[in-house]
Amino acid sequence: GAVVSQHPSRVICKSGTSVKIECRSLDFQATTMFWYRQFPKQSLMLMATSNEGSKATYEQGVEKDKFLINHASLTLSTLTVTSAHPEDSSFYICSASEGFMNTEAFFGQGTRLTVV
Amino acid sequence: SQKIEQNSEALNIQEGKTATLTCNYTNYSPAYLQWYRQDPGRGPVFLLLIRENEKEKRKERLKVTFDTTLKQSLFHITASQPADSATYLCAPHNYGQNFVFGPGTRLSVLP
Repeated sequence: GAVVSQHPSRVICKSGTSVKIECRSLDFQATTMFWYRQFPKQSLMLMATSNEGSKATYEQGVEKDKFLINHASLTLSTLTVTSAHPEDSSFYICSASEGFMNTEAFFGQGTRLTVV
Repeated sequence: SQKIEQNSEALNIQEGKTATLTCNYTNYSPAYLQWYRQDPGRGPVFLLLIRENEKEKRKERLKVTFDTTLKQSLFHITASQPADSATYLCAPHNYGQNFVFGPGTRLSVLP
């Protein structure tokens, strides 16, 4: 299947700093990318959907000014956690779809963010 | 609002037996239902997709059923192996809609 690469896999940052997470589709063009957050022993919670070249659509309760999403090309989307706090510590996962009509999602490896 | 439930948080079975996982949904009429496998600290991996007009789908030792009347999908792993131990997520959805995942069932296959 298609490959989605997420980087970094782990990051530790100080409270108040910003962290950028990259999500790349390696062998296909991802019209749509999704960002999820997952707490221990819980399922994935969709944070936002990003379409190449347009603003991301955020789910209810997700602060768009805190979680900045940029989908500048068909192979790259970034999530920036701004002014991170310990409660932002979580597992962040991206997924990509080849198009609006495609029903299978390909997931990145995930990023473990720890804010100290 | 849409609600997705998976039978149990954790399921332990003996190696060689068939594991059966359940996914129930309410307030929802999905056209598709997908099953994913997630290992600890990793992103989910797609396993199977079944459409509303398909009763059953098979892939090697995996079998999925989809009962739109009961609003339920069953996911079976036959001849289970310790390597099948993981969390399994179901995701009923409609064409072009975002994925909503169930809470997952953590399967442990004991040698």
